[in-house]
Amino acid sequence: DSGVTQTPKHLITATGQRVTLRCSPRSGDLSVYWYQQSLDQGLQFLIQYYNGEERAKGNILERFSAQQFPDLHSELNLSSLELGDSALYFCASGALAGTYNEQFFGPGTRLTVL
Amino acid sequence: GENVEQHPSTLSVQEGDSAVIKCTYSDSASNYFPWYKQELGKGPQLIIDIRSNVGEKKDQRIAVTLNKTAKHFSLHITETQPEDSAVYFCAATPANMNTGFQKLVFGTGTRLLVSP
Repeated sequence: DSGVTQTPKHLITATGQRVTLRCSPRSGDLSVYWYQQSLDQGLQFLIQYYNGEERAKGNILERFSAQQFPDLHSELNLSSLELGDSALYFCASGALAGTYNEQFFGPGTRLTVL
Repeated sequence: GENVEQHPSTLSVQEGDSAVIKCTYSDSASNYFPWYKQELGKGPQLIIDIRSNVGEKKDQRIAVTLNKTAKHFSLHITETQPEDSAVYFCAATPANMNTGFQKLVFGTGTRLLVSP
């Protein structure tokens, strides 16, 4: 158990809908990272937050957004869903910025768009 | 940007044999190289990592080597056991000391199957 929690574990929805994925980092970790894992694209970095502030963006679509709250949990919002958005979404957390920090992954949310 | 290539894509070994997975990276600024093990239905689990100022690191049956000149690093698993069966991912990241940005760029994964 990495100490990172993600809810829900599974999510099934229809095209055009909007969903919110939630992540709670390990105790003491200030950074949260979101990754998407699909069969054809592998593990892709989406976005990073550090202590409530967005730090970096990767291959994140404009239909997707995220935020990190004062209690450090993070939410990834996916809107106008398309079939191709079906994937595993992982959250990872790490400690301090600017050092060689391990990233610890949560169990993921499996999103299925029908 | 960084690009990580990983080989082989699948690897089958007999229990007790050794397994080696190799990765190459493109960005010479990368200085942190973790390895993750992902079992079915679970998130990636960090199993070992190496920093750019070290050439080799061992932890029981697993070891990682890094050749910065050639820009490649490898995972070695000795005395493999059936429970080692999983997908293994290498990753690289240039640690930006100014912004604290530590994007991980992953390889495409190696499916390791250890047969009893």
